[in-house]
Amino acid sequence: QVQLQQSGAELVRPGTSVKISCKASGYTFTNYWLGWVKQRPGHGLEWIGDIYPGGGYTNYNEKFKGKATLTADTSSSTAYMQLSSLTSEDSAVYFCARSAARAYFDYWGQGTTLTVSS
Amino acid sequence: DILLTQSPAILSVSPGERVSFSCRASQSIGTSIHWYQQRTNGSPRLLIKYASESISGIPSRFSGSGSGTDFTLSINSVESEDIADYYCQQSNSWPITFGAGTKLELK
Repeated sequence: QVQLQQSGAELVRPGTSVKISCKASGYTFTNYWLGWVKQRPGHGLEWIGDIYPGGGYTNYNEKFKGKATLTADTSSSTAYMQLSSLTSEDSAVYFCARSAARAYFDYWGQGTTLTVSS
Repeated sequence: DILLTQSPAILSVSPGERVSFSCRASQSIGTSIHWYQQRTNGSPRLLIKYASESISGIPSRFSGSGSGTDFTLSINSVESEDIADYYCQQSNSWPITFGAGTKLELK
């Protein structure tokens, strides 16, 4: 069965960077786009961008350009999202999700809680 | 960006009732709308794709309709396990956007 296993919660200092992982299993990792979504209370769900591990192609929401960097390691079927220059506005739950037909998200990770605090 | 407006923000229902959630797009998007359920502390779960297409494993009491700018998700007979937040999402144009959600609660 398809599973997306994300890395654990992070507590980091403002101004630093963090890298969140999403390990895929149960399907061919290189055949599907994988997206990242941010969720903050009162701000709903925001699409950050997506990556196609089969070719390394990426696509970003303009709002997150310069903030998020998406990569993938096909040898371990793991996708990564690095967030830089962190502020309190980056405190949120981040989900990875498989993108079917590059339109909707049919499988989701369990979410990674990021807290940015000094 | 395409704005998706969901209404109402909160819906209160009794078990067994029929309930409908509304999602309105800021411009016509055909049927490129998808619906998700998110229970407390959970991940979103895909319920309906392309406005009305069913998803394997999702109970038949969930259905979707609409095209253009107005879309509806319906639950035929609400069960206690349906208490959650419901979101619509569009894939007509980049960036992908989500509605702010409707919270379903029990009366």
